[in-house]
Amino acid sequence: DAGITQSPRHKVTETGTPVTLRCHQTENHRYMYWYRQDPGHGLRLIHYSYGVKDTDKGEVSDGYSVSRSKTEDFLLTLESATSSQTSVYFCAISESQGHYGYTFGSGTRLTVV
Amino acid sequence: SQQGEEDPQALSIQEGENATMNCSYKTSINNLQWYRQNSGRGLVHLILIRSNEREKHSGRLRVTLDTSKKSSSLLITASRAADTASYFCATDVTGGSEKLVFGKGTKLTVNP
Repeated sequence: DAGITQSPRHKVTETGTPVTLRCHQTENHRYMYWYRQDPGHGLRLIHYSYGVKDTDKGEVSDGYSVSRSKTEDFLLTLESATSSQTSVYFCAISESQGHYGYTFGSGTRLTVV
Repeated sequence: SQQGEEDPQALSIQEGENATMNCSYKTSINNLQWYRQNSGRGLVHLILIRSNEREKHSGRLRVTLDTSKKSSSLLITASRAADTASYFCATDVTGGSEKLVFGKGTKLTVNP
């Protein structure tokens, strides 16, 4: 999707290892979000950021941490991956909270074995 | 728990027919948004309707909002095979939260 890229697109990792997913934007948007999508659950918010170094927890934040040292990058870290964290992870950005829609990345499919 | 719930969970229609999807939510909102997701892709923003609006149009899309019933509907007219996708509603909850809460989606299949 234009203006937002996620990396990697696919990853297989072993239980207990740390994993970092990257979201990069070129839109200079203030707000960035990490969601996970699982069958039967829709999208659930993990963490979000409302500015550099300003982050907060979402609905399903346990086992995840985030960092945002630059406007353009929002990193999601699984501190010690578990099989329950096998999912598709989406990053989203928005220019202004509540006034415009989100722009989503193409997603990262993570498999924890 | 989910703020928004779409209904039906799945819908199968023929090309040219209209498709209607519904969304119910639980708490007061600032706005409600609809997104489309094609298989294996990210979500794409379709339309945003604010809490003081009752109806909005965008091309073949018509969205209504009834805040008294806490519900919204998305109508796709003259559907095409390319409309086959999952459709999600998302609510921006009143109270200063800076994030959208998504429903579980309606999977629409348009048969040629």
